[in-house]
Amino acid sequence: DTGVSQDPRHKITKRGQNVTFRCDPISEHNRLYWYRQTLGQGPEFLTYFQNEAQLEKSRLLSDRFSAERPKGSFSTLEIQRTEQGDSAMYLCASSIEKSGNTIYFGEGSWLTVV
Amino acid sequence: QKEVEQNSGPLSVPEGAIASLNCTYSDRGSQSFFWYRQYSGKSPELIMSIYSNGDKEDGRFTAQLNKASQYVSLLIRDSQPSDSATYLCAVNRTGRRALTFGSGTRLQVQP
Repeated sequence: DTGVSQDPRHKITKRGQNVTFRCDPISEHNRLYWYRQTLGQGPEFLTYFQNEAQLEKSRLLSDRFSAERPKGSFSTLEIQRTEQGDSAMYLCASSIEKSGNTIYFGEGSWLTVV
Repeated sequence: QKEVEQNSGPLSVPEGAIASLNCTYSDRGSQSFFWYRQYSGKSPELIMSIYSNGDKEDGRFTAQLNKASQYVSLLIRDSQPSDSATYLCAVNRTGRRALTFGSGTRLQVQP
């Protein structure tokens, strides 16, 4: 499978706990994006990396959220002190410069905060 | 005004008909436009992209772009029940690398 890979696919956590999601982009894709999607809404942009540099962050990305891409390959998204409002599908996507702005999504990581 | 607007639907069409999905955007400088399909519980998958005014065809799908009127549409010919999904319009806004998505239009194709 050479698509975008996300792990875990499903996570149930208690309010106040920390969670971390991992994303492995398509091989050779140097751009990586995190989005969040709730029921009935389109994906909302969270943050963008080009190689290891985090170049753009949404105002949605509160200080409880942090994303890294330490070696320009896989990325992690950590949510600290989770709240019920964090329940959503967290989508990772990647792209390569020669494909323009076309992004390809992974299967998503579902988060349920109870 | 939302950056990318879509009618939430549902849009219901009979099998074999043409489904027409519309999207408007607010940033006049937007350059790239995309349609994604999303089945319930799944992630979005790319259908097609369009960059220039006019029509672009790919199989049963035709994307139409009118930058002057700031709208982009997707036509699905010979609609099939398997086309039943939510269709997301996405726009690459000026100066932004990431795409901005609409809320999607739910399409139901009746057998």
